[in-house]
Amino acid sequence: DGGITQSPKYLFRKEGQNVTLSCEQNLNHDAMYWYRQDPGQGLRLIYYSQIVNDFQKGDIAEGYSVSREKKESFPLTVTSAQKNPTAFYLCASSPAGTGLGETQYFGPGTRLLVL
Amino acid sequence: GQNIDQPTEMTATEGAIVQINCTYQTSGFNGLFWYQQHAGEAPTFLSYNVLDGLEEKGRFSSFLSRSKGYSYLLLKELQMKDSASYLCAAKSTGFQKLVFGTGTRLLVSP
Repeated sequence: DGGITQSPKYLFRKEGQNVTLSCEQNLNHDAMYWYRQDPGQGLRLIYYSQIVNDFQKGDIAEGYSVSREKKESFPLTVTSAQKNPTAFYLCASSPAGTGLGETQYFGPGTRLLVL
Repeated sequence: GQNIDQPTEMTATEGAIVQINCTYQTSGFNGLFWYQQHAGEAPTFLSYNVLDGLEEKGRFSSFLSRSKGYSYLLLKELQMKDSASYLCAAKSTGFQKLVFGTGTRLLVSP
């Protein structure tokens, strides 16, 4: 049963704490992405990775870090430098094709709340 | 610059037809995606257009005019379960990076 999983579903962060959001896919997709969604705003790209051991900053990378050591996994760390981390975080993946083959498929999301 | 515009909210009645418009400006253009997102859930893929014209898929159709930077999503025979946000996303040339609009929240009433 192929898909994208994210964990946890809800995550609470204390001030000054780093937290890591998990994203795993078994779709054999090369590319993976992290987005942040805030009320009334569109999805904003945090980081993306086209291939293992390579990743690029998106539009709002400050305060976040990622790694891509395995094709299946693309964890996102929200560091203490991110001053407004409360949001819905979505992970996505896509094949390396073109056109319709570039369709991104999303995981169920992690809602991060600051205590 | 890159910009996607779509209405914030729309309402419609069960059984009716609704058209959700989207205009876009991107540095290069290589496709337009529509996603459906129910509250608190992940976006799910609905349609993709790269050439001008209408793509039909059951009750949902999507149209693209590249010269006008314009797309719409047409939903027919509306059902209560169609109440959701509909996200328009444009892909610029180069790597698979999408620019998303803020989404249109559709409320279907009985």
